[in-house]
Amino acid sequence: DAKTTQPTSMDCAEGRAANLPCNHSTISGNEYVYWYRQIHSQGPQYIIHGLKNNETNEMASLIITEDRKSSTLILPHATLRDTAVYYCIVSRNFNKFYFGSGTKLNVKP
Amino acid sequence: DAGVIQSPRHEVTEMGQEVTLRCKPISGHNSLFWYRQTMMRGLELLIYFNNNVPIDDSGMPEDRFSAKMPNASFSTLKIQPSEPRDSAVYFCASSFASQGAGGYTFGSGTRLTVV
Repeated sequence: DAKTTQPTSMDCAEGRAANLPCNHSTISGNEYVYWYRQIHSQGPQYIIHGLKNNETNEMASLIITEDRKSSTLILPHATLRDTAVYYCIVSRNFNKFYFGSGTKLNVKP
Repeated sequence: DAGVIQSPRHEVTEMGQEVTLRCKPISGHNSLFWYRQTMMRGLELLIYFNNNVPIDDSGMPEDRFSAKMPNASFSTLKIQPSEPRDSAVYFCASSFASQGAGGYTFGSGTRLTVV
């Protein structure tokens, strides 16, 4: 599976959009981009996934660049409860996800 | 749906003892995964099952670890004998396995402490 690179941590003001980047420059054509988050002491939570097109659901939007080498997860109006570690995962095998270190998002009042 | 249910939530045991962690996946899900999380190594995939059959156990650290899924609604992860380095949070997750069908649902985890 392609390797991903994410910033170690980011800050965001409450109510503002949080934009979390992920670099996956070695992604291959049949690999999906998945995003999960883990709130302290809880199990990881699925957020969204995509292959080529931008995706949106009730939690977030996923923007994938045209060359698919990077993506951005957007939380449109971050709240304090969005403080968590966010994992970007690239995988062609739905049954084998490897979670890296992720980005620690701190939402501040 | 109650989600993925793991038990116990916390387990403290002495080195050398047998430990059994339990997981009830979401009804209808046909894939089940066991992960381990530590500060040093992050989240590691230990083993996964598809339709109750173990598909890949390459992440199981050593022979002291074993996992079973006797039916679609129950799985166990056993450590015998346990060692202090096994201390971690163990997560179970389930999914309906098809590419693009969405993500896993994780349980709340079992925090294991081996003293």
